[in-house]
Amino acid sequence: AQKITQTQPGMFVQEKEAVTLDCTYDTSDPSYGLFWYKQPSSGEMIFLIYQGSYDQQNATEGRYSLNFQKARKSANLVISASQLGDSAMYFCAMREGRVNTGFQKLVFGTGTRLLVSP
Amino acid sequence: EAQVTQNPRYLITVTGKKLTVTCSQNMNHEYMSWYRQDPGLGLRQIYYSMNVEVTDKGDVPEGYKVSRKEKRNFPLILESPSPNQTSLYFCASSSLAGGVTDTQYFGPGTRLTVL
Repeated sequence: AQKITQTQPGMFVQEKEAVTLDCTYDTSDPSYGLFWYKQPSSGEMIFLIYQGSYDQQNATEGRYSLNFQKARKSANLVISASQLGDSAMYFCAMREGRVNTGFQKLVFGTGTRLLVSP
Repeated sequence: EAQVTQNPRYLITVTGKKLTVTCSQNMNHEYMSWYRQDPGLGLRQIYYSMNVEVTDKGDVPEGYKVSRKEKRNFPLILESPSPNQTSLYFCASSSLAGGVTDTQYFGPGTRLTVL
């Protein structure tokens, strides 16, 4: 079973509008972390935002917020007031908390390509 | 500036010719890892290291080797590259102090083509 599922291969949004990128995850570990990364066309992976499984509040970083619904196992990224520079590939990733070999491994989804139009 | 560097950024080689991709971080991170990115598959872990002289296989280790002789460096070695190793490779590092909260920081990527 996929540990991280991103069901939207591509999304379109107009500049200044908000957009939600979906991410669902699968784990039986009570301790885990969820991450979102941005990959622009230049190729680098840029860390955006983190949510811990025990965090009571949804994470926010500037225009990025994470809509964390633990019971539904979803961790959607919300980008408010989209900008042209937000056009990129977005990856959701999870790290599980088991203290064994590889517990630091990030498991990635297949990504969502976001295109922001003027 | 805190960063992870990789070299080379682009490499075209031929089947069977040994190559090394270097990775270095200046954040004194214990954990370092290599990933490969292929279309439709996201990023998959190749090898990782929890500290100097401590390395282990990730999900797709076949055809790769690594070493961790110094804390800052974690080179990826392809002893006999094959065309199915054509991919975009990322090195990443993180602290181990916070457990699941530790953010992994990525290098700029190395685009490898094996002919």
